[in-house]
Amino acid sequence: QKEVEQDPGPLSVPEGAIVSLNCTYSNSAFQYFMWYRQYSRKGPELLMYTYSSGNKEDGRFTAQVDKSSKYISLFIRDSQPSDSATYLCATKETSGSRLTFGEGTQLTVNP
Amino acid sequence: EPEVTQTPSHQVTQMGQEVILRCVPISNHLYFYWYRQILGQKVEFLVSFYNNEISEKSEIFDDQFSVERPDGSNFTLKIRSTKLEDSAMYFCASSEIRASGNTIYFGEGSWLTVV
Repeated sequence: QKEVEQDPGPLSVPEGAIVSLNCTYSNSAFQYFMWYRQYSRKGPELLMYTYSSGNKEDGRFTAQVDKSSKYISLFIRDSQPSDSATYLCATKETSGSRLTFGEGTQLTVNP
Repeated sequence: EPEVTQTPSHQVTQMGQEVILRCVPISNHLYFYWYRQILGQKVEFLVSFYNNEISEKSEIFDDQFSVERPDGSNFTLKIRSTKLEDSAMYFCASSEIRASGNTIYFGEGSWLTVV
């Protein structure tokens, strides 16, 4: 079983739609949760970071963590064509330094 | 905004050759990392480095790989005897504190092609 699973998509939505991106994880030691955005052939860019169950909002982005079901989500409201990218979820244990990434979901927002 | 810079952006090398990828982390950061992303696959952790020594490494980071901080600004990844399967994008990253997640910054990557 993969430590972090993420539907690779591709996901295509019209401009203005609400986008829901999801990951599941299997390791109970994962306590930090991140969402990165990656444009083609570029480095991951941190969007959201959280360490507790519940919701965290930043502008059009909301990160949601449910530790009881080991499920993390990223919601994008009023999606824009500039949001078209690959979105990576990542997790980390309290100890240690490595981030464990999901496969990434490729998102296209159509004008 | 401070950024992690990597060179070269793209390198093509013959199988069996040695490659050095270079990174300049953000200046006040203390932890440094290398990650790898094979085309179409997930980003994978290779190694973390703190206080001039490796603090953690993955199963991928075997004797073929080494890291070094030769001076106060550069952080390098050396790959010896490159193989076809080493072809990937290599990302350097840095953070102020051990990667709690909220302060880790990635560079734009060095694309390595082994032929």
